[in-house]
Amino acid sequence: DAGVIQSPRHEVTEMGQEVTLRCKPISGHDYLFWYRQTMMRGLELLIYFNNNVPIDDSGMPEDRFSAKMPNASFSTLKIQPSEPRDSAVYFCASRARETSGELFFGEGSRLTVL
Amino acid sequence: QKEVEQDPGPLSVPEGAIVSLNCTYSNSAFQYFMWYRQYSRKGPELLMYTYSSGNKEDGRFTAQVDKSSKYISLFIRDSQPSDSATYLCAKRAAGNKLTFGGGTRVLVKP
Repeated sequence: DAGVIQSPRHEVTEMGQEVTLRCKPISGHDYLFWYRQTMMRGLELLIYFNNNVPIDDSGMPEDRFSAKMPNASFSTLKIQPSEPRDSAVYFCASRARETSGELFFGEGSRLTVL
Repeated sequence: QKEVEQDPGPLSVPEGAIVSLNCTYSNSAFQYFMWYRQYSRKGPELLMYTYSSGNKEDGRFTAQVDKSSKYISLFIRDSQPSDSATYLCAKRAAGNKLTFGGGTRVLVKP
């Protein structure tokens, strides 16, 4: 299996632009998570899906952030408009239904907003 | 107060030494405890998982949980330069949300 695949790996954009991050989870995994990692705040859960349905989005910082999962093999995290404080590494992770809780992470998308 | 606290380090040790990492948590509802390892510019990967108090060993790694003190430890024996990474403790209560500590950066010098 190829693991969790994220794109782009790096994104540099200007304040006010729209950013779309993409994730392909491991095939057969029922759960998909979006995390954000910064030096100051560490790894923070933004939102997670179960069977393509958003279950908990309480970690989404504000309305500028949105996430979708149109099918079992694809999810997007969108920031519109982007701000410099959104600069971080965004990780997608997936998990099978019957495991202890092991998350399989992608390699992350490093976002820099100028 | 964060739900899961870790000393950020860095913790620098010579090759072959024992690495001792600690983590405290504040919510007694936590049921599952994990240690993840994260290499630079990579995603975290699961090292150890446990749900009970006591010790769990896996090769050179030992995870220790003390629920009465809300304390989690990870020990790495015979440390190698390849163990240089950031180690994140994590907890999961009933449900699906995994909460991470801030991570401790470890440097093993040859």
